[in-house]
Amino acid sequence: DTEVTQTPKHLVMGMTNKKSLKCEQHMGHRAMYWYKQKAKKPPELMFVYSYEKLSINESVPSRFSPECPNSSLLNLHLHALQPEDSALYLCASSQGGALEQYFGPGTRLTVT
Amino acid sequence: GQNIDQPTEMTATEGAIVQINCTYQTSGFNGLFWYQQHAGEAPTFLSYNVLDGLEEKGRFSSFLSRSKGYSYLLLKELQMKDSASYLCAVRRWGDDKIIFGKGTRLHILP
Repeated sequence: DTEVTQTPKHLVMGMTNKKSLKCEQHMGHRAMYWYKQKAKKPPELMFVYSYEKLSINESVPSRFSPECPNSSLLNLHLHALQPEDSALYLCASSQGGALEQYFGPGTRLTVT
Repeated sequence: GQNIDQPTEMTATEGAIVQINCTYQTSGFNGLFWYQQHAGEAPTFLSYNVLDGLEEKGRFSSFLSRSKGYSYLLLKELQMKDSASYLCAVRRWGDDKIIFGKGTRLHILP
């Protein structure tokens, strides 16, 4: 199984809402990643978890809050987002040490 | 610091060959990836080079020269489905992340 799953596929939320994005992998990977991607731009790293511990936070605003409940699951909690946060949010996993990453299909987020 | 450069856009003809270049300046370099991303979809892994030389995988090949800070992705017998963005990404020693270049959008004409 080389699949990373993400839910939901699409999400529309208002600026006062609280929502969560979910990501799951069953490849036994020890590292999991959240990326944000705007149209015609490369993925922009947000967070890295290694062995369920947050190892990298790329100075992401606190309105984005990651959580890694166990080695297979990664969540991204969203609160008080801005319209400019509208983007494709990608989750990825790897064996760790920045080896080959497997990406999920992404969540297309629109903030109104 | 680090810098990764690749052309923004390229156009090629179905059935032809195209080479997408990537140059990088990275301290602690420990490997280079190529990913393919179709519009609206997730990136998918194409290749990984850590030693100098050419790696071939079917219609796709990737080359690395560490001394020159240079890599290329070679696509042969182009098909319409190869229209996508191609992302070069660099890995550094001791890092848990990779750094993506801005990507090259490849357009295939019939």
